[in-house]
Amino acid sequence: AQTVTQSQPEMSVQEAETVTLSCTYDTSENNYYLFWYKQPPSRQMILVIRQEAYKQQNATENRFSVNFQKAAKSFSLKISDSQLGDTAMYFCAFMTYYGGATNKLIFGTGTLLAVQP
Amino acid sequence: DTAVSQTPKYLVTQMGNDKSIKCEQNLGHDTMYWYKQDSKKFLKIMFSYNNKELIINETVPNRFSPKSPDKAHLNLHINSLELGDSAVYFCASSLAGGAAEQYFGPGTRLTVT
Repeated sequence: AQTVTQSQPEMSVQEAETVTLSCTYDTSENNYYLFWYKQPPSRQMILVIRQEAYKQQNATENRFSVNFQKAAKSFSLKISDSQLGDTAMYFCAFMTYYGGATNKLIFGTGTLLAVQP
Repeated sequence: DTAVSQTPKYLVTQMGNDKSIKCEQNLGHDTMYWYKQDSKKFLKIMFSYNNKELIINETVPNRFSPKSPDKAHLNLHINSLELGDSAVYFCASSLAGGAAEQYFGPGTRLTVT
C-alpha cells in the first residue's frame, strides 16, 4: 500500500523568505503522480502544484517549485518570496490509478505553515 | 460560478440521527468522490463514483451510503450518527482516468453531539 509521510507538523517563515516543506512516499508503482494541496483557514482545498513521475523536470508554478527525487521517493515543495497569504496547511498527496475509471488521492498528515510579518 | 458545491456547509446533530450531505458539480466531470478530514486534519478517501457507478469503497461503515442520481450529483447519507463521525466531509470531482486533477468542494463540517 502507498503511504505519504510529512515529517514537519509545523513550520514558520518570515515574509519574503524561502521555505521548503518535506514529503516522502512509498510505492512499488512506476507511474504515478504527486501533488501539493494548500488548505487555508477557509478550509478550501487548493491545488498548488503537480508532478508526473515519468517527468524528470521539476514542476514550477510561479513562486512554488518542487524537488522531485524519484529514486529517493522524495517530493519537497519550495515556496519563494513567502507571502502572508501562504499561511495554510499544506498536504502532499500521491495519486494511484485505480483500475480504469477513477483515481484516488492518498494524503500525508500535513504541514502547518505560518508566514510571519 | 461555483465549480463544486456542497450543502450544508455546517451540520450539527445528535447521536442516533440520520443526515444527508449533498454535492453538485458543474464542471462536466464524470467522476466524483467523498473524502473525510478528521479532527487531526487527516484526509482520507471514502468513496468514488464514475458515471453513477460505485468504484471505490474504502472500508467505510455501512451506515454511510453514497448515492449518485446523475453524473453531476453525489450525495452522502449517514444513518445512526456517532460521535466519531464528527469531521469535515469534502466532495471532489474530476474527469475520468489518468491523473485528472480533482476539484474540491468547500467541505461540510459535521458535528455530532
